[in-house]
Amino acid sequence: DTAVSQTPKYLVTQMGNDKSIKCEQNLGHDTMYWYKQDSKKFLKIMFSYNNKELIINETVPNRFSPKSPDKAHLNLHINSLELGDSAVYFCASSGPGLAGKGYHTDTQYFGPGTRLTVL
Amino acid sequence: AQSVTQPDIHITVSEGASLELRCNYSYGATPYLFWYVQSPGQGLQLLLKYFSGDTLVQGIKGFEAEFKRSQSSFNLRKPSVHWSDAAEYFCAVGAWRDDKIIFGKGTRLHILP
Repeated sequence: DTAVSQTPKYLVTQMGNDKSIKCEQNLGHDTMYWYKQDSKKFLKIMFSYNNKELIINETVPNRFSPKSPDKAHLNLHINSLELGDSAVYFCASSGPGLAGKGYHTDTQYFGPGTRLTVL
Repeated sequence: AQSVTQPDIHITVSEGASLELRCNYSYGATPYLFWYVQSPGQGLQLLLKYFSGDTLVQGIKGFEAEFKRSQSSFNLRKPSVHWSDAAEYFCAVGAWRDDKIIFGKGTRLHILP
């Protein structure tokens, strides 16, 4: 069983298009994340959700809109795609973390990534 | 704000040799420290983490790391590498006041046969 799954694995599209990436976790976690990994492998958090509530929005352009229909799913919709959006996008989830210390202290489980190429 | 530095972009070692990957962090309080590994075409997987207690932490796949507060370091070690260890390794730091962890820029490990 795949713990954190993402679809699609590859996404090639033209500039200006709108696309979505889906993420599902079957670990029973309350917290989910989206990360962007650029061509130099630098991994940066974009969003995190806890119990379907947005916790982190790291100054991501508002063309990116996360949607969490339930605790097991966190989808990423991107409007008006630009060349600079080309990257690998990772979804992750985590448990509650150390008591009183926050969920970000827990192990994060990553999906396999979605490689987005904008032409 | 916390930060994490991995000074080595690439490291090449021979199979069977020992390995040490460096990680330095910057934070005023005691940080939470992690090492993740990313195999080609895969997501990240946790190797080990340190929150408190024994400063030598054992992880999966024969890896260990040592927290040295005086040097603000959390270096990853393995006594004998295998070809399957070739991957990208990320150090990450978090703190209880913040709500996220910060990843270093990674170290790519190459293994010579």
